Amino acid sequence: ETGVTQSPTHLIKTRGQQVTLRCSSQSGHNTVSWYQQALGQGPQFIFQYYREEENGRGNFPPRFSGLQFPNYSSELNVNALELDDSALYLCASSSDSRYGYTFGSGTRLTVV
Amino acid sequence: KNEVEQSPQNLTAQEGEFITINCSYSVGISALHWLQQHPGGGIVSLFMLSSGKKKHGRLIATINIQEKHSSLHITASHPRDSAVYICAVRSSRLTFGEGTQLTVNP
Repeated sequence: ETGVTQSPTHLIKTRGQQVTLRCSSQSGHNTVSWYQQALGQGPQFIFQYYREEENGRGNFPPRFSGLQFPNYSSELNVNALELDDSALYLCASSSDSRYGYTFGSGTRLTVV
Repeated sequence: KNEVEQSPQNLTAQEGEFITINCSYSVGISALHWLQQHPGGGIVSLFMLSSGKKKHGRLIATINIQEKHSSLHITASHPRDSAVYICAVRSSRLTFGEGTQLTVNP
């Protein structure tokens, strides 16, 4: 049983660029959620996908978008990067509200 | 006011001490998670609770649904326990506390 894998692990982008982060969910999990964690703070919910449909969104602008694929892996896309987008981006997968989440190790994004 | 409040924010202990981290929340939940985050970012799920108490090794987690409060206890703390401990509550989504930075000195 594999865990949650995120890629890349680290990334440096320039302000105004676009970035795509990837997450492969744990085998058997059909729900993927994404979180942004700024330095020294707790993670903030970005959005969640269930069976390829977005079914929840946090307080993030539309330039944060996502996809979930038929194999339940997921992408987070951020357009028009801003300096404040520099953070650790975490992905978590789950299968049912009765069970817990499995987290990836995160992608550290730096916007310069 | 945050929906999930943790205390303390920072905690320094000597090896062997008994440690308690507290979490209070203000929303209805289906479960509460205690998570551990080491430098570098990876998060490990320690417990998922919806009632009562759970124990795993030196870690104990309790929850009082009526009081909307949970505690994480570490017995006989060790320097390898040094990490950020995060409380997260599950409703339609996960909402996280700010985390407690624990440092255990030898």
